Amino acid sequence: DAGITQSPRHKVTETGTPVTLRCHQTENHRYMYWYRQDPGHGLRLIHYSYGVKDTDKGEVSDGYSVSRSKTEDFLLTLESATSSQTSVYFCATAEGNYEQYFGPGTRLTVT
Amino acid sequence: QKEVEQNSGPLSVPEGAIASLNCTYSDRGSQSFFWYRQYSGKSPELIMFIYSNGDKEDGRFTAQLNKASQYVSLLIRDSQPSDSATYLCAVSHILTGGGNKLTFGTGTQLKVEL
Repeated sequence: DAGITQSPRHKVTETGTPVTLRCHQTENHRYMYWYRQDPGHGLRLIHYSYGVKDTDKGEVSDGYSVSRSKTEDFLLTLESATSSQTSVYFCATAEGNYEQYFGPGTRLTVT
Repeated sequence: QKEVEQNSGPLSVPEGAIASLNCTYSDRGSQSFFWYRQYSGKSPELIMFIYSNGDKEDGRFTAQLNKASQYVSLLIRDSQPSDSATYLCAVSHILTGGGNKLTFGTGTQLKVEL
């Protein structure tokens, strides 16, 4: 367990509203990742960070943005939530190029 | 063709038996291979990873990698009811800025029966 928390753990929001999910880690890991998990698709990478203020896109980045102003925090923002963004969102951290440790997840429902 | 393929299951094994979980991948450039366990409603939990051909053992778990066949497997010896979960296979690619992207299969559901 890499000391990862996510907030909120559950959220229901309306289509068109902005939503920000937070990932906080206490392990001082360099790399942080946001994934979403949907039935039939497995976990898919949204965005990742390789250092403070250093971020890049993953395979399903459309409609999402991220920011990392401190080593311990990685924020995921849905700029204008859509029903297709209803999902479970997981944050993960890693120090090197091998194992990633996952947070508890955020269940987001967009109505 | 999906990049990482797993049989969705469920795979049912009796308690005490060996459970064999399989995964194939399409990208020969994949560098490392991971097995995660995920209980229903919980987050993925790392079991082990492997990056060299052959076997790697950790307690009751053995990961096997065959890069020529693009095949990775996980054996669970002396299966217990607490092993009942979904097992996720993931393959790794190094990212431009460092770190690695994990591409996951959709998972195999394992049921260990009393």
